[in-house]
Amino acid sequence: EVQLVESGGDLVQPGGSLRLSCAASGFTFSDPYMDWVRQAPGKGLEWVGRSRDKTNSYTTEYAASVKGRFTISRDDSRNSLYLQMNSLKTEDTAVYYCTRAIRDRNGYGIYDYWGQGTLVTVSS
Amino acid sequence: DIQMTQSPSSLSASVGDRVTITCRASQGIRDYLAWFQQKPGKAPKSLIYAASSLQSGVPSKFSGSGSGTEFTLTISSLQPEDFATYYCQQYNSYPLTFGGGTKLEIK
Repeated sequence: EVQLVESGGDLVQPGGSLRLSCAASGFTFSDPYMDWVRQAPGKGLEWVGRSRDKTNSYTTEYAASVKGRFTISRDDSRNSLYLQMNSLKTEDTAVYYCTRAIRDRNGYGIYDYWGQGTLVTVSS
Repeated sequence: DIQMTQSPSSLSASVGDRVTITCRASQGIRDYLAWFQQKPGKAPKSLIYAASSLQSGVPSKFSGSGSGTEFTLTISSLQPEDFATYYCQQYNSYPLTFGGGTKLEIK
C-alpha cells in the first residue's frame, strides 16, 4: 500500500527556516517524480515544486513564488522527500502536501497519491 | 504561465442529480489535464488524468472529457459523499497550475 506521511510543520517567524519531510512507503521511491503542493487557509491548491525521478537525475522545478528560497531534495536510502524552506514569508502559511507523480510514456507526471499534509504557519 | 479557470465556482445540486464542471486553459494543453476531489480538512484525491482516464478505484460515475483548452468533469447520480470541492490541474508545462476550485454543495 502506497503511503506518504509529511512531518515538520510548525510555527515559524518571518525570515525563518523550516524543513519538511515526506516519508514514503509501498513503492520504489526512486521511480516516480515527487512534488510538493500547498494550500493556504481557505484557498485553493498551489504547486510548489518537483523532484524528477532517478532516470532524470532528480532534477528539480519550482514555482516562481518560492524559487531561490525553497529547495527540494530526496534521500532514496530513507525513502524520503524533503522541502527546505528559507526566508519564509507570511504568505507561505499553508498546509503542505507531498504527492507522487507517475511518469507517463512522454515524461509527464500524473498525480496519484497524496499525503495528509503538514501545516506551516509563518507569523510573528 | 497557463491560467486555469473553473466554472462555476460553486454549485448546488440534489442527491441523484448529474452535474458538469468546466475547466478552461488560457492556452492549449493537449490532454494533460487532471481532476481532484477534496473534502473539508482532507487531502485531495486524484480522480482523472489525461483528461478522461479514471484513476484506479475511482467509480465510473465520474467522467472527464475535452482537449486543448476546454475540459469538463461530469458526475452522475450524485451521492452524499460526492459533495466536495473539485479542482482541475494542467500538467502540460511548468509551472503546473490548478483551477480555483468548484464547491459542490447539497441543495
